[in-house]
Amino acid sequence: GAVVSQHPSWVICKSGTSVKIECRSLDFQATTMFWYRQFPKQSLMLMATSNEGSKATYEQGVEKDKFLINHASLTLSTLTVTSAHPEDSSFYICSARNFRDRAYNEQFFGPGTRLTVL
Amino acid sequence: DQQVKQNSPSLSVQEGRISILNCDYTNSMFDYFLWYKKYPAEGPTFLISISSIKDKNEDGRFTVFLNKSAKHLSLHIVPSQPGDSAVYFCAASADMTGANNLFFGTGTRLTVIP
Repeated sequence: GAVVSQHPSWVICKSGTSVKIECRSLDFQATTMFWYRQFPKQSLMLMATSNEGSKATYEQGVEKDKFLINHASLTLSTLTVTSAHPEDSSFYICSARNFRDRAYNEQFFGPGTRLTVL
Repeated sequence: DQQVKQNSPSLSVQEGRISILNCDYTNSMFDYFLWYKKYPAEGPTFLISISSIKDKNEDGRFTVFLNKSAKHLSLHIVPSQPGDSAVYFCAASADMTGANNLFFGTGTRLTVIP
């Protein structure tokens, strides 16, 4: 199966700072990457969909100026949490999909990044 | 509003027996359903899927059943093995081409007792 990595796996930061999370597809080209957030005992919630070379599409209620997404290449997408606050503490997971390859009709998930904002 | 629901947060089953995980959805536009398995500190991994044109899909020990009229699907694992112990997420999509814009349930933690 396709492999997706995330970096870092966990990060602790002070309130007001910005944190960048990287998502990489290691053995396939990801035309689309998705960013999810999971709070304790809740389901994975889609934050935004990012297509290579274009602006991300954000879900309702997700602030695009706070969660900056860049998908500059077919193997890398980044999520930057700007001016992080304690309520942004969560588990952030990315997934990737290659729409050009019909065989890949599932999303492949990264291992997730645990963000704790003090 | 939770469009995909997994009402059982946990399930314990003896090794060798059948595990049945349930999932309900509210959006009648959903036409593609997936089950993911998640170990601690790892991302979800795809397990099995079913499109709305079918009512059953089988892959080895895993079978997914879909009841569109009841807006209900279930995952059967038989026989259950200790390595199956994980959190299982049900997901749904309104895109027939595959897993775009997935809506996830809250997960069911399966424990298979040796």
